[in-house]
Amino acid sequence: KAGVTQTPRYLIKTRGQQVTLSCSPISGHRSVSWYQQTPGQGLQFLFEYFSETQRNKGNFPGRFSGRQFSNSRSEMNVSTLELGDSALYLCASSSLTSGRRDTQYFGPGTRLTVL
Amino acid sequence: KNQVEQSPQSLIILEGKNCTLQCNYTVSPFSNLRWYKQDTGRGPVSLTIMTFSENTKSNGRYTATLDADTKQSSLHITASQLSDSASYICVVSADRGSTLGRLYFGRGTQLTVWP
Repeated sequence: KAGVTQTPRYLIKTRGQQVTLSCSPISGHRSVSWYQQTPGQGLQFLFEYFSETQRNKGNFPGRFSGRQFSNSRSEMNVSTLELGDSALYLCASSSLTSGRRDTQYFGPGTRLTVL
Repeated sequence: KNQVEQSPQSLIILEGKNCTLQCNYTVSPFSNLRWYKQDTGRGPVSLTIMTFSENTKSNGRYTATLDADTKQSSLHITASQLSDSASYICVVSADRGSTLGRLYFGRGTQLTVWP
């Protein structure tokens, strides 16, 4: 079974630009969550999608948005990039067959650098 | 305020030795607590998941404990190996009525195992 895949793996953008990151969950998984990881703040929850609906959202500005498609693939968009958006963006999927106890499987992440 | 605190921030031990990592949380209402291992440059990998009623969970050489009364958890690693060198992250899920709950992350403990 293929794991969670994220594309691209590395990305360099300049301030003011926008970026779209993609996540393909494990086949059969309907829940996809996004996280931002920085050395200063650690891992922070961005949002969670389940069956194309956003079910939960962290404390991030509206410049961060996402969506989930009918095949469970998810995209995350960041508009008007700021230097502080430089981070590792992680996607995780889970099957949620056991509710909130399900294991989350993380992808390798997308390393975003904003210059 | 919902928070997850981990200690120590970093730890160096010799191969073959045991160690214990600590996690204290103030997240409420509590749903479950997870420990993740994150190797450098990779996404986190789930080690254990514990709910309110579980006070011990093992995964090979990793044993997690949970005291829901004092809101403390520990991760004990026995007979450490060089491959245990990683960041160990404690994650607490708050029962928010959504699919995964609201996740709160600790900053992690950076473990280094020396030969």
